[in-house]
Amino acid sequence: GAVVSQHPSWVICKSGTSVKIECRSLDFQATTMFWYRQFPKQSLMLMATSNEGSKATYEQGVEKDKFLINHASLTLSTLTVTSAHPEDSSFYICSARDMGQESYEQYFGPGTRLTVT
Amino acid sequence: AQKVTQAQTEISVVEKEDVTLDCVYETRDTTYYLFWYKQPPSGELVFLIRRNSFDEQNEISGRYSWNFQKSTSSFNFTITASQVVDSAVYFCALSEARAAGNKLTFGGGTRVLVKP
Repeated sequence: GAVVSQHPSWVICKSGTSVKIECRSLDFQATTMFWYRQFPKQSLMLMATSNEGSKATYEQGVEKDKFLINHASLTLSTLTVTSAHPEDSSFYICSARDMGQESYEQYFGPGTRLTVT
Repeated sequence: AQKVTQAQTEISVVEKEDVTLDCVYETRDTTYYLFWYKQPPSGELVFLIRRNSFDEQNEISGRYSWNFQKSTSSFNFTITASQVVDSAVYFCALSEARAAGNKLTFGGGTRVLVKP
Protein backbone atom coordinates (compact mmCIF):
# COMPACT_ATOMS: atom_id res chain seq x y z
CA GLY A 1 0.00 0.00 0.00
CA ALA A 2 0.81 3.73 0.04
CA VAL A 3 2.16 4.00 -3.46
CA VAL A 4 2.82 7.31 -5.17
CA SER A 5 3.53 7.49 -8.88
CA GLN A 6 5.00 10.24 -11.00
CA HIS A 7 4.77 10.77 -14.70
CA PRO A 8 6.89 11.16 -16.67
CA SER A 9 9.94 9.62 -15.03
CA TRP A 10 12.18 11.73 -17.20
CA VAL A 11 11.66 14.47 -19.74
CA ILE A 12 13.83 16.54 -22.04
CA CYS A 13 12.44 19.81 -23.31
CA LYS A 14 13.65 22.86 -25.15
CA SER A 15 14.22 26.17 -23.43
CA GLY A 16 11.08 28.28 -23.37
CA THR A 17 8.61 25.42 -23.41
CA SER A 18 6.42 24.24 -20.54
CA VAL A 19 6.46 20.84 -18.91
CA LYS A 20 3.79 19.20 -16.76
CA ILE A 21 4.62 16.58 -14.14
CA GLU A 22 1.90 14.47 -12.56
CA CYS A 23 1.89 13.03 -9.06
CA ARG A 24 -0.69 10.41 -8.14
CA SER A 25 -1.48 8.58 -4.93
CA LEU A 26 -2.55 5.16 -6.17
CA ASP A 27 -4.12 3.49 -3.16
CA PHE A 28 -4.92 6.25 -0.73
CA GLN A 29 -6.36 9.73 -0.64
CA ALA A 30 -4.10 12.69 -0.10
CA THR A 31 -5.39 16.12 0.86
CA THR A 32 -1.83 17.33 0.99
CA MET A 33 0.95 16.74 -1.49
CA PHE A 34 4.41 18.22 -1.51
CA TRP A 35 6.77 19.11 -4.34
CA TYR A 36 10.52 18.98 -3.87
CA ARG A 37 13.43 19.84 -6.11
CA GLN A 38 16.82 18.21 -5.86
CA PHE A 39 19.88 19.45 -7.71
CA PRO A 40 22.81 17.05 -8.28
CA LYS A 41 24.57 16.09 -5.07
CA GLN A 42 22.29 18.28 -3.01
CA SER A 43 19.45 17.68 -0.61
CA LEU A 44 15.74 17.85 -1.27
CA MET A 45 14.35 21.35 -1.05
CA LEU A 46 10.64 21.84 -0.54
CA MET A 47 9.15 23.98 -3.26
CA ALA A 48 5.50 24.05 -2.30
CA THR A 49 2.73 22.40 -0.35
CA SER A 50 -0.28 21.48 -2.43
CA ASN A 51 -3.69 21.23 -0.80
CA GLU A 52 -6.66 19.70 -2.58
CA GLY A 53 -9.13 22.30 -3.69
CA SER A 54 -7.09 25.32 -2.65
CA LYS A 55 -4.07 27.30 -3.72
CA ALA A 56 -0.63 25.90 -3.13
CA THR A 57 1.66 27.37 -0.51
CA TYR A 58 5.06 28.18 -1.94
CA GLU A 59 8.32 28.30 -0.03
CA GLN A 60 10.29 31.48 0.05
CA GLY A 61 12.20 32.07 -3.14
CA VAL A 62 10.06 29.79 -5.32
CA GLU A 63 8.31 31.62 -8.15
CA LYS A 64 4.66 30.66 -8.06
CA ASP A 65 4.07 31.99 -11.59
CA LYS A 66 6.81 29.80 -12.95
CA PHE A 67 5.96 26.62 -11.04
CA LEU A 68 2.22 26.17 -11.34
CA ILE A 69 0.68 23.64 -9.01
CA ASN A 70 -2.79 22.22 -9.31
CA HIS A 71 -4.32 19.75 -6.85
CA ALA A 72 -7.73 19.14 -8.34
CA SER A 73 -8.50 15.81 -6.73
CA LEU A 74 -7.56 13.76 -3.69
CA THR A 75 -5.27 11.57 -5.77
CA LEU A 76 -3.66 13.93 -8.26
CA SER A 77 -1.41 16.96 -8.11
CA THR A 78 0.40 18.47 -11.08
CA LEU A 79 3.45 20.69 -11.31
CA THR A 80 3.89 22.72 -14.48
CA VAL A 81 7.25 24.31 -15.13
CA THR A 82 6.45 27.23 -17.40
CA SER A 83 8.95 28.72 -19.84
CA ALA A 84 11.58 26.29 -18.70
CA HIS A 85 15.24 27.27 -18.80
CA PRO A 86 18.40 25.19 -18.39
CA GLU A 87 18.69 26.24 -14.75
CA ASP A 88 15.35 24.49 -14.11
CA SER A 89 16.97 21.17 -14.96
CA SER A 90 16.65 19.14 -11.81
CA PHE A 91 15.12 16.09 -10.17
CA TYR A 92 11.56 16.83 -9.08
CA ILE A 93 10.03 14.63 -6.39
CA CYS A 94 6.52 14.68 -5.05
CA SER A 95 5.18 13.19 -1.86
CA ALA A 96 1.73 12.68 -0.41
CA ARG A 97 0.27 12.39 3.05
CA ASP A 98 -2.29 9.71 3.73
CA MET A 99 -5.46 11.29 5.11
CA GLY A 100 -6.12 8.21 7.16
CA GLN A 101 -2.87 8.38 9.11
CA GLU A 102 -1.76 10.65 11.89
CA SER A 103 1.88 9.71 11.68
CA TYR A 104 2.99 12.67 9.57
CA GLU A 105 4.57 10.20 7.20
CA GLN A 106 4.93 11.23 3.60
CA TYR A 107 5.04 8.72 0.77
CA PHE A 108 7.40 9.68 -2.00
CA GLY A 109 7.09 9.28 -5.72
CA PRO A 110 10.00 7.94 -7.78
CA GLY A 111 10.89 11.38 -9.08
CA THR A 112 10.99 13.08 -12.48
CA ARG A 113 14.28 14.06 -14.02
CA LEU A 114 13.89 17.23 -16.08
CA THR A 115 16.52 18.32 -18.57
CA VAL A 116 16.06 21.62 -20.34
CA THR A 117 18.24 22.11 -23.41
CA ALA B 1 12.20 27.22 12.49
CA GLN B 2 13.19 23.63 12.03
CA LYS B 3 16.66 22.61 10.92
CA VAL B 4 18.49 19.36 10.35
CA THR B 5 22.25 19.04 10.16
CA GLN B 6 24.15 16.07 8.83
CA ALA B 7 27.75 17.02 9.37
CA GLN B 8 29.22 14.15 7.35
CA THR B 9 28.91 14.74 3.64
CA GLU B 10 30.57 11.50 2.60
CA ILE B 11 31.74 8.36 4.34
CA SER B 12 33.74 5.61 2.71
CA VAL B 13 34.07 2.19 4.34
CA VAL B 14 35.13 -1.29 3.41
CA GLU B 15 32.51 -3.99 3.37
CA LYS B 16 31.66 -5.48 6.79
CA GLU B 17 32.72 -2.34 8.62
CA ASP B 18 30.17 -0.52 10.75
CA VAL B 19 29.23 3.01 9.82
CA THR B 20 27.41 5.62 11.90
CA LEU B 21 25.65 8.60 10.36
CA ASP B 22 25.10 11.62 12.55
CA CYS B 23 21.97 13.75 12.56
CA VAL B 24 21.39 16.79 14.74
CA TYR B 25 18.14 18.69 14.65
CA GLU B 26 16.70 21.97 15.89
CA THR B 27 13.08 22.60 16.72
CA ARG B 28 11.00 24.68 19.09
CA ASP B 29 8.13 22.26 18.96
CA THR B 30 7.63 19.62 21.63
CA THR B 31 5.83 17.32 19.21
CA TYR B 32 7.73 16.30 16.14
CA TYR B 33 8.75 13.33 14.03
CA LEU B 34 12.18 12.30 12.84
CA PHE B 35 12.84 10.21 9.77
CA TRP B 36 15.64 8.52 7.91
CA TYR B 37 15.51 7.88 4.17
CA LYS B 38 17.84 6.09 1.80
CA GLN B 39 18.32 7.37 -1.73
CA PRO B 40 20.08 4.86 -3.97
CA PRO B 41 21.49 5.90 -7.36
CA SER B 42 18.07 5.36 -8.94
CA GLY B 43 16.88 8.43 -7.05
CA GLU B 44 13.79 7.02 -5.40
CA LEU B 45 13.61 7.71 -1.68
CA VAL B 46 13.30 4.64 0.51
CA PHE B 47 11.71 5.11 3.92
CA LEU B 48 13.75 3.58 6.73
CA ILE B 49 12.31 4.74 10.03
CA ARG B 50 10.00 7.21 11.73
CA ARG B 51 10.34 8.18 15.38
CA ASN B 52 8.12 10.57 17.34
CA SER B 53 9.46 12.98 19.90
CA PHE B 54 7.95 11.10 22.81
CA ASP B 55 9.60 7.80 22.05
CA GLU B 56 13.29 7.77 22.87
CA GLN B 57 13.70 4.04 22.67
CA ASN B 58 16.46 2.94 20.39
CA GLU B 59 15.46 0.72 17.54
CA ILE B 60 17.11 -2.11 15.69
CA SER B 61 15.99 -3.49 12.37
CA GLY B 62 18.30 -6.12 10.98
CA ARG B 63 21.66 -4.47 10.36
CA TYR B 64 20.20 -1.00 10.95
CA SER B 65 19.93 0.67 14.33
CA TRP B 66 18.97 4.14 15.48
CA ASN B 67 19.89 6.09 18.57
CA PHE B 68 17.55 8.94 19.51
CA GLN B 69 18.70 11.30 22.26
CA LYS B 70 16.57 14.33 22.97
CA SER B 71 19.13 15.71 25.40
CA THR B 72 21.55 16.27 22.53
CA SER B 73 18.91 16.66 19.78
CA SER B 74 20.43 13.82 17.87
CA PHE B 75 19.05 10.91 15.90
CA ASN B 76 22.00 8.85 14.72
CA PHE B 77 21.88 5.89 12.38
CA THR B 78 24.24 2.93 12.36
CA ILE B 79 24.69 0.31 9.68
CA THR B 80 26.33 -2.79 11.08
CA ALA B 81 28.45 -5.03 8.88
CA SER B 82 27.97 -2.80 5.86
CA GLN B 83 27.40 -4.25 2.41
CA VAL B 84 27.97 -2.85 -1.06
CA VAL B 85 24.19 -2.53 -1.48
CA ASP B 86 24.19 -0.02 1.37
CA SER B 87 25.97 2.47 -0.90
CA ALA B 88 23.56 5.38 -1.20
CA VAL B 89 22.82 8.83 0.11
CA TYR B 90 21.06 8.85 3.47
CA PHE B 91 18.87 11.71 4.58
CA CYS B 92 17.66 12.59 8.04
CA ALA B 93 14.46 14.65 8.16
CA LEU B 94 12.25 16.44 10.68
CA SER B 95 8.56 17.23 10.69
CA GLU B 96 7.06 19.51 13.30
CA ALA B 97 3.47 19.03 14.38
CA ARG B 98 2.88 22.77 14.10
CA ALA B 99 4.47 23.18 10.69
CA ALA B 100 1.98 23.95 7.96
CA GLY B 101 1.04 20.69 6.32
CA ASN B 102 3.58 18.99 8.57
CA LYS B 103 6.23 19.61 5.95
CA LEU B 104 9.54 17.82 6.09
CA THR B 105 12.87 19.52 6.45
CA PHE B 106 15.76 17.45 5.19
CA GLY B 107 19.36 17.44 6.25
CA GLY B 108 22.06 17.81 3.64
CA GLY B 109 22.50 14.07 3.30
CA THR B 110 25.44 11.74 3.84
CA ARG B 111 26.79 9.79 0.92
CA VAL B 112 27.91 6.32 1.99
CA LEU B 113 30.25 4.38 -0.22
CA VAL B 114 30.84 0.77 0.72
CA LYS B 115 33.78 -0.77 -1.08
CA PRO B 116 34.06 -4.51 -1.58
